[in-house]
Amino acid sequence: SQQGEEDPQALSIQEGENATMNCSYKTSINNLQWYRQNSGRGLVHLILIRSNEREKHSGRLRVTLDTSKKSSSLLITASRAADTASYFCLGETSGSRLTFGEGTQLTVNP
Amino acid sequence: GAGVSQSPSNKVTEKGKDVELRCDPISGHTALYWYRQSLGQGLEFLIYFQGNSAPDKSGLPSDRFSAERTGGSVSTLTIQRTQQEDSAVYLCASSSHGNSPLHFGNGTRLTVT
Repeated sequence: SQQGEEDPQALSIQEGENATMNCSYKTSINNLQWYRQNSGRGLVHLILIRSNEREKHSGRLRVTLDTSKKSSSLLITASRAADTASYFCLGETSGSRLTFGEGTQLTVNP
Repeated sequence: GAGVSQSPSNKVTEKGKDVELRCDPISGHTALYWYRQSLGQGLEFLIYFQGNSAPDKSGLPSDRFSAERTGGSVSTLTIQRTQQEDSAVYLCASSSHGNSPLHFGNGTRLTVT
């Protein structure tokens, strides 16, 4: 069963705007990771935030983690058309299983 | 190789036939995962390997699905008596240890006709 989910399911913005995606999960996690998927094939790792961290930055990406609410957000600033993709979160637990939600489909219009 | 390699990249098979999908993880990565993604959907966890053992195979949808990993490296996912609902992209990922990112292959697109 899915242990996390993202919202919104779809997001359409103009180039230059910021995009915010949210992720909620159900179990305790050691870390939370965000991935990007183009064209329905392999996923690419974007950023990892550990359970003892609250915020992390990487280039135009900013991720937050609230373990009390079991939620995370991914902010992409100054979006570009090339950011158009599906974005997924997953939480790594003390056990073995890593699961994904349905993803957020981001469309950045030029 | 530098990344996770999956073969074949595309497979078309007739209903009822068996198929075998292969995953070559990054050298040295002890953890290996199989996922399935149906068209326009999220990823569905299938099975996880740590070394050659599979501590979590709870995601395998039926007894027609099986997987093995040998030598702590290559893994094969076998689907017996394929059905049309098995059509999906099968993704493999590996990681070096816990708290490290997953590295994904480009997947095998399986079409059952």
